[in-house]
Amino acid sequence: GENVEQHPSTLSVQEGDSAVIKCTYSDSASNYFPWYKQELGKRPQLIIDIRSNVGEKKDQRIAVTLNKTAKHFSLHITETQPEDSAVYFCAALASGGSYIPTFGRGTSLIVHP
Amino acid sequence: ETGVTQSPTHLIKTRGQQVTLRCSSQSGHNTVSWYQQALGQGPQFIFQYYREEENGRGNFPPRFSGLQFPNYSSELNVNALELDDSALYLCASSGRREASYEQYFGPGTRLTVT
Repeated sequence: GENVEQHPSTLSVQEGDSAVIKCTYSDSASNYFPWYKQELGKRPQLIIDIRSNVGEKKDQRIAVTLNKTAKHFSLHITETQPEDSAVYFCAALASGGSYIPTFGRGTSLIVHP
Repeated sequence: ETGVTQSPTHLIKTRGQQVTLRCSSQSGHNTVSWYQQALGQGPQFIFQYYREEENGRGNFPPRFSGLQFPNYSSELNVNALELDDSALYLCASSGRREASYEQYFGPGTRLTVT
């Protein structure tokens, strides 16, 4: 089955800095890669996703890049703000299969004012 | 906020008891997935229901079972509760159409087993 590795487990940055979270996956059939943000005590919320037919996608301060050859994808947050502090999860899914995403273990992002 | 709801919000049970958790999917969604999230961990897939049938199962024992109803709401049942079952249980609904398999999570049920 699919295996998703996520690094780092904790990331501490100063407000205004950039943050990068990286994930690798094992199943070459995976073609959909969502990122979720989970604030303390709240539900995971989809913040951005990318499909395997594109290499990069941006939404304001958030961007995701995908390297299918190397089987890794990354979340980039620019101009970080304290409200970006949360746990971020990556996931991988094969849409032609069971539509069941495999999640990474999460990255705790702390943005210091 | 998503249209996915879960009940109850919190639950305290004793080891050996049984529990039923409920999830109402977002309007238009026909697939519900259930996840167990232990503290400090990512969501672990339990099983998924698509149009009232189990569509896949993770590494959970048979005492974890589920149902999906004609209106696509779903239940998660756990028998013979163990202390390690204490976790946040999340359901997520999705549409299963080719361009619409994004999952939207409910707020979760916090289960504590004592």
